[in-house]
Amino acid sequence: GAVVSQHPSWVICKSGTSVKIECRSLDFQATTMFWYRQFPKQSLMLMATSNEGSKATYEQGVEKDKFLINHASLTLSTLTVTSAHPEDSSFYICSARTTGSPVDFFGQGTRLTVV
Amino acid sequence: QKEVEQDPGPLSVPEGAIVSLNCTYSNSAFQYFMWYRQYSRKGPELLMYTYSSGNKEDGRFTAQVDKSSKYISLFIRDSQPSDSATYLCAMLEIYNQGGKLIFGQGTELSVKP
Repeated sequence: GAVVSQHPSWVICKSGTSVKIECRSLDFQATTMFWYRQFPKQSLMLMATSNEGSKATYEQGVEKDKFLINHASLTLSTLTVTSAHPEDSSFYICSARTTGSPVDFFGQGTRLTVV
Repeated sequence: QKEVEQDPGPLSVPEGAIVSLNCTYSNSAFQYFMWYRQYSRKGPELLMYTYSSGNKEDGRFTAQVDKSSKYISLFIRDSQPSDSATYLCAMLEIYNQGGKLIFGQGTELSVKP
């Protein structure tokens, strides 16, 4: 199957700083990428949808100024958590989809801890 | 009522057992039905997907979709300890124009040696 690489796998940052998470499709062109957040023992919660070259569409309740999403190329999307606070600590996961396919392939996830 | 309902478990079975995982849904517009497996602290991994109603088999895994009942199932035969994970069903209306996957809550499965 297609491979989606997410980096870093885990990151610890200080409160008030920003952190960037990268999501790369390694062997296919990702026309659409999705960013999720997952709390322990819960399902995935969609944060935003991004199409290559367009602004991301955020789900209700997700602060677009806090969670900056860039999808500048067909193989790379980034999520930047700005001015991070301890409540932003969570597991963030990206997924990617290519044109003509209903299947989403997921990255390995990034565990963010804000101290 | 959630669009997709899935029993969160946890479900514990002995090695070699047949496992049945199920989801129900309310949106009759769903056309694509997926099963993902998620190990602890990892991203979901696609197991199978089915378009519309019917059965699909891949090794020890069989997916069934009954659109008339709005009910989907995943069967795991000869379950192994390595199958211990959370299983997520997910559904999709359309895949273009950024159609969103709708997930169930996930069922935590433990296969005991």
